[in-house]
This record gives sequence, structure tokens and C-alpha cells, in this order.
Amino acid sequence: SQQGEEDPQALSIQEGENATMNCSYKTSINNLQWYRQNSGRGLVHLILIRSNEREKHSGRLRVTLDTSKKSSSLLITASRAADTASYFCALFSFQKLVFGTGTRLLVSP
Amino acid sequence: NAGVMQNPRHLVRRRGQEARLRCSPVKGHSHVYWYRQLPEEGLKFMVYLQKENIIDESGMPKERFSAEFPKEGPSILRIQQVVRGDSAAYFCASSQSAGGTDTQYFGPGTRLTVL
Repeated sequence: SQQGEEDPQALSIQEGENATMNCSYKTSINNLQWYRQNSGRGLVHLILIRSNEREKHSGRLRVTLDTSKKSSSLLITASRAADTASYFCALFSFQKLVFGTGTRLLVSP
Repeated sequence: NAGVMQNPRHLVRRRGQEARLRCSPVKGHSHVYWYRQLPEEGLKFMVYLQKENIIDESGMPKERFSAEFPKEGPSILRIQQVVRGDSAAYFCASSQSAGGTDTQYFGPGTRLTVL
């Protein structure tokens, strides 16, 4: 299966803590992308990391990619209640995005 | 600077009726993708279209589902003779090119409920 597998499925933390989500996959990729989805809403693109990149930052987000292990991680630092959402990794392969199953993050005030 | 527009946002149909979902891509984008999301699941790719062409429909059910992206106007996802299992959120995305470095921008989705 091309689908990314995300870990953990659910994560509950306190405001101010860091949240780490992992994504593992099996196929070769052009790039890997992370999206956020608030309950009942559309997807918001967070960050794209190319297959020849190892790490990328955007504000409080840090994404790593290890193509030898076929895995990526998303770190949200100093989390806020507004970060509560589902987070999906998506593999860009053969001109389409293949989404993982998602991690549901709950940040409590 | 409008993003991807989808309408309707919510659609209720009875079994056997037809559902038409519309997607207007970001201005200047000629690549459109449709995805389906079942409750509590991730998005599943359905079809990838460029203007007037279907490039990849490997995720489309073989029957009842069709998609088009005409030269003028929005992309349309049509579901004929809907069944309860078609109830889901349908998302459209667009990109400027098909290259691997291009971000896909997603619309807000159409939530289809089949009674």
C-alpha cells in the first residue's frame, strides 16, 4: 500500500508542550506534505519537504524526512489550544497525493 | 485572491438520485484533483484532471461516478444513483502544475448525505 501510516493515532497534551507526529511509508516519493484539518473543515497545507531535503522549518513547525527509513516527523513546538486538529501526512507519488490515516491532536488549555 | 471554491457545501440526496459537486480551482490553476473522505478516515484520491482531460482516474469507482473539467467552467464530480455508502466529504484540490514541487490547494469540501 502506498498509504502513509501515522503514529500515534491520537495525542493529548497540555498547552506549551511539544507535539510530535510520525509518518512511515513504503514507496518512493517526490515529496511529502503535511496538512491540518480542523473538525468538519477543509485541509490546510502546512509544509512540503522534498525527497532531497532532510529538515524544514516553518514558524513553530519542524518537519524531518529520512528517506532511508521511509519516515517523516512533524514537531509542533509550544503548542496552543488552537493547534487542536487532525494532522495528515501525504505522499506525493505518481502525480497524486496519498494521505495517511491521520493523528488527532488535542491541546488542552 | 480566491482559493479553491466548492459548492454546494452540504448536499442531501435520497437513494437513487444524482449528486453534482462543483469545484472552481484557484485562478490560473489547470490541474484539479478530487478526493473523498469517509468519517474518521484520511482522504482517498479519486481522480486527477487537466483541462478537458482525465489524467488519472484510478481511484474512481467503476460505476456511477464520473468527473469532468471542461475548457470553460468548473470541474464537476457526478455521482449517479447515489447509495448510502456514498455519504462522505468530497474535497477538490488544484495546483498550478503537475510537478512534484507544486502544492495542492484544497477547497472546503462538499459534505454529501444520502438518506
